Amino acid sequence: DTGVSQDPRHKITKRGQNVTFRCDPISEHNRLYWYRQTLGQGPEFLTYFQNEAQLEKSRLLSDRFSAERPKGSFSTLEIQRTEQGDSAMYLCASSLSSLEQYFGPGTRLTVT
Amino acid sequence: GQNIDQPTEMTATEGAIVQINCTYQTSGFNGLFWYQQHAGEAPTFLSYNVLDGLEEKGRFSSFLSRSKGYSYLLLKELQMKDSASYLCAVRDRGGSQGNLIFGKGTKLSVKP
Repeated sequence: DTGVSQDPRHKITKRGQNVTFRCDPISEHNRLYWYRQTLGQGPEFLTYFQNEAQLEKSRLLSDRFSAERPKGSFSTLEIQRTEQGDSAMYLCASSLSSLEQYFGPGTRLTVT
Repeated sequence: GQNIDQPTEMTATEGAIVQINCTYQTSGFNGLFWYQQHAGEAPTFLSYNVLDGLEEKGRFSSFLSRSKGYSYLLLKELQMKDSASYLCAVRDRGGSQGNLIFGKGTKLSVKP
């Protein structure tokens, strides 16, 4: 257990539905990252927050994806109008400034 | 473009030594990380190199040559629990942006 928690751990949804995931980072960590990982691949960067500011978004993050970190603590990742290609493990990581990132257990999304 | 290469799979024997190589071509470089990921679990941090040379941490060592764009992870006295995927990741920018670019991972199988 790294101290980063994610909820839910698993989510099955039908195509076209909206889903929201939550990440609670290690409390003193000011940086929070979202990654997506599919089978046989390494994690792919989606977006990054420093405190409450969203500083970078990958081109992988289409308009259907939105992330927030309203008070600089927990973060949410929402996917609207889910597609089958969104099926993946969504990983959250946190770090203190530019030090190593600690990953949460992930949310596995299955879109049917 | 950004490219990180590592072997897809490796097999080794319990008690032996194994070296997992990683080569990278990225637009910038601000550190190389190795993570271990057991099936169905989140990546866990193993090591970090930002300067050339060898970093040793118990049974694990990591080496970096920035001029060659090359790193390796050395695992000694292999144990069955070391069976996992090993992910090489590069942080391509410093300052306020520290997301990681991951390779696809090397799946290591340790056999008795």
